[in-house]
Amino acid sequence: DVKVTQSSRYLVKRTGEKVFLECVQDMDHENMFWYRQDPGLGLRLIYFSYDVKMKEKGDIPEGYSVSREKKERFSLILESASTNQTSMYLCASSLGGGGDSPLHFGNGTRLTVT
Amino acid sequence: AQTVTQSQPEMSVQEAETVTLSCTYDTSESNYYLFWYKQPPSRQMILVIRQEAYKQQNATENRFSVNFQKAAKSFSLKISDSQLGDTAMYFCAFMKHAWGTDKLIFGTGTRLQVFP
Repeated sequence: DVKVTQSSRYLVKRTGEKVFLECVQDMDHENMFWYRQDPGLGLRLIYFSYDVKMKEKGDIPEGYSVSREKKERFSLILESASTNQTSMYLCASSLGGGGDSPLHFGNGTRLTVT
Repeated sequence: AQTVTQSQPEMSVQEAETVTLSCTYDTSESNYYLFWYKQPPSRQMILVIRQEAYKQQNATENRFSVNFQKAAKSFSLKISDSQLGDTAMYFCAFMKHAWGTDKLIFGTGTRLQVFP
């Protein structure tokens, strides 16, 4: 079974702090994704990566950056956390075969910025 | 741009009954995939069912089936013989057929409560 592991289940940070959310997958998947989940808004794509050191902006990249130095690890970085970034963050990975390779998700990190 | 709409924020059903969750989407693409994902309180997103747009036959997975109406751009999920473990958020999602990208566009979700 594919395992996508997010390093923290809950995280509390202060406004202005630099925040790192880490995600690791164990199935040699090409693609990795960061989504943000908010009530009433569903899941929105922040960034995705289709190869090591390759990344593309999603629908809501403002205030975020990402890093993928190794194939199995995809980090989401909040350069200067703000209260409007309080949310649930979900990482996912996929093989890259289009609809034939479904996304596998981690358990999410609930981030609170105070 | 593609959009996915789930017009039912919340639904409830009694155990053993049948419930249908609605989803509509908008796209100019002719080839794409549609998905239903389930997110129980544990937060783990689980793929429930997948439909390829070029296949006319509706997908089924045990108690879960879809009614895919391509012309109407509608993709509803039917859950038969509902069980308490079906209580979860359900998300409808769209993926353009483009090798390598796998980007999912999600609806806003429907919270389903199954009552004993």
